[in-house]
Formats: sequence, structure tokens, C-alpha cells
Amino acid sequence: LAKTTQPISMDSYEGQEVNITCSHNNIATNDYITWYQQFPSQGPRFIIQGYKTKVTNEVASLFIPADRKSSTLSLPRVSLSDTAVYYCLVEDDYNQGGKLIFGQGTELSVKP
Amino acid sequence: GAVVSQHPSRVICKSGTSVKIECRSLDFQATTMFWYRQFPKKSLMLMATSNEGSKATYEQGVEKDKFLINHASLTLSTLTVTSAHPEDSSFYICSARGHTIAGGSYNEQFFGPGTRLTVL
Repeated sequence: LAKTTQPISMDSYEGQEVNITCSHNNIATNDYITWYQQFPSQGPRFIIQGYKTKVTNEVASLFIPADRKSSTLSLPRVSLSDTAVYYCLVEDDYNQGGKLIFGQGTELSVKP
Repeated sequence: GAVVSQHPSRVICKSGTSVKIECRSLDFQATTMFWYRQFPKKSLMLMATSNEGSKATYEQGVEKDKFLINHASLTLSTLTVTSAHPEDSSFYICSARGHTIAGGSYNEQFFGPGTRLTVL
């Protein structure tokens, strides 16, 4: 499975847009990119998933360049409740049976 | 999205006892379930993958005789920590992927809320 690298921590203020970039240089053709959010003492929650270009849902956008060696999670107008750890993962449905290997994640702190 | 529950949410036990943790998919059929453990301020570590009706596949370094996994139905997997010791104290999280009752597949995994195990 491709290894992912993210910043360990980021700080932001309420109302700002936050962009968290993840590198996955060894991503394979079959891999999807998935982002999860985790609050303390809770299980991770799915945020968004993509394969290439741009994906948008009601909570975030995911930007993936053509070479797919990195991806950027964009959170518009963050609030205090967005303070959490964000994990970027690559997932190979076909060869790994959906196994997810979590990296260190990015601890986002949103301040008032 | 689909819902995964875990029971109990927290458990405290004495050293040497065994503890069973249940993971249930409430509104979908979980063909595959995963068990993770997480230490404070650390990332999730995959322990094992279990497919319904077959033996679990354990990650390197995880003792299969200590962490017994059973996935007997499409909605239930259990993790039993046998002869628990204080170093087994951790946050245990399950996840599941599978199909809706109507037969459609989910692309993402759904995680349970976690079980906090404290071994005294």
C-alpha cells in the first residue's frame, strides 16, 4: 500500500479556509484517495473520496492533480468543531480487500 | 451512510481476565470487518481483517491467540482479548464494509465509535 505523508499539525481560525496536503508518491493505478476525520475517543468518520481531478461534497473538496502523487483536502470556513485529526489514506479495493493503513494524520486546531 | 455500533463503549477488567468486544453493522451487510487499536495521541493500527464465515487475517506482530476474532454473521464480529494485561489497555475500533440490504455496495468503510479497554 502506498505510504502517505501529511503535516503533523496545522492551526487555523474560525471562518478561514483550510487546505491540508497529503503526498502519496507511490500511489498505484487502482488506488483511491480517502480522507477521514477523527475526534478524540471516537471512531474515524469518512469525509471524502476521489480518484482524480476534483471532488466536492457538502463538507469538503478534494483536489487531485493529474499525476495523483498528492492530494489536498479543502475545508471551507472552518469552525471550532472542525478541530480534529484528519487522515489521508490510499485504498486499493481490488488487491488489498479494502484494507486501510493509517498514517500519522494531521491535527487541525481551529481557534476563535 | 451506514451505521456501525460497538459494545461495550468502555470496559475495565482485572489482569488475567478475558474481554469480548462486539462490532455490529446496523443497517447493512458487512462482508468484511476490520479491527484496529489506538494508543493515546497515536494513529490507528490495523490488527486484523475478518471476512464473514472465514478465519481472520492478522497483521504482522499481532498475536492471533491473544486477540480472537470471530465473524460468524454478516452483521456481527467479535474481538476477544484473552488473558488481558495492562499493556493491552487501549482504544479498540472496528470498521466494516459491505453491501446494502438491496445489494448495492459501499465504497467507503464505516467505523464504530470505539471501545475503551482498561486493564488493571
